[in-house]
Amino acid sequence: DSGVTQTPKHLITATGQRVTLRCSPRSGDLSVYWYQQSLDQGLQFLIQYYNGEERAKGNILERFSAQQFPDLHSELNLSSLELGDSALYFCASSVASGYQETQYFGPGTRLLVL
Amino acid sequence: GNSVTQMEGPVTLSEEAFLTINCTYTATGYPSLFWYVQYPGEGLQLLLKATKADDKGSNKGFEATYRKETTSFHLEKGSVQVSDSAVYFCALKNQGGKLIFGQGTELSVKP
Repeated sequence: DSGVTQTPKHLITATGQRVTLRCSPRSGDLSVYWYQQSLDQGLQFLIQYYNGEERAKGNILERFSAQQFPDLHSELNLSSLELGDSALYFCASSVASGYQETQYFGPGTRLLVL
Repeated sequence: GNSVTQMEGPVTLSEEAFLTINCTYTATGYPSLFWYVQYPGEGLQLLLKATKADDKGSNKGFEATYRKETTSFHLEKGSVQVSDSAVYFCALKNQGGKLIFGQGTELSVKP
């Protein structure tokens, strides 16, 4: 158990809908990262927050957005969903964002868009 | 730019065989290097890491040495077990914090 929790574990929804994925980082970790794992793209970095502020953006679609709240939990919002958004979404956390720091991953949310 | 290339899988071995999974990287500066493992139906777990050249990371019988001259971080284990069956990801992290992953190598160990 990494100490990072994600809810829900599974999500099934229809095209055009909007969903919210939730992540609670390890106690004491200020940095939260979101990654998408799909068969065709592999593991791709989406976005990073540090202590409530957006720190870095990766290959995140405009239909997707995220935020980190004062209690440091984070939410990833996916809207106007398409079939191709079906993937495993991981959250990871670390104390800060230095290059030597280890990121600890949650169990993921499996999203299926029908 | 930064990238990671792993050997393609699946890799199928018999129990107690020697394992090598090749990983090479392209990066500016001096990244940190990581191996993560994903067991079926689970999230990613850190297996080992190395933060500077010639460092050796090790955990649970797995080892990898950060080779700057060959830009490699190959994963090795002397004697694999059925329970080692999983997907292994090599990754690098530069300044900026995000992890850049290889495509993953599936390992299947048969009894």
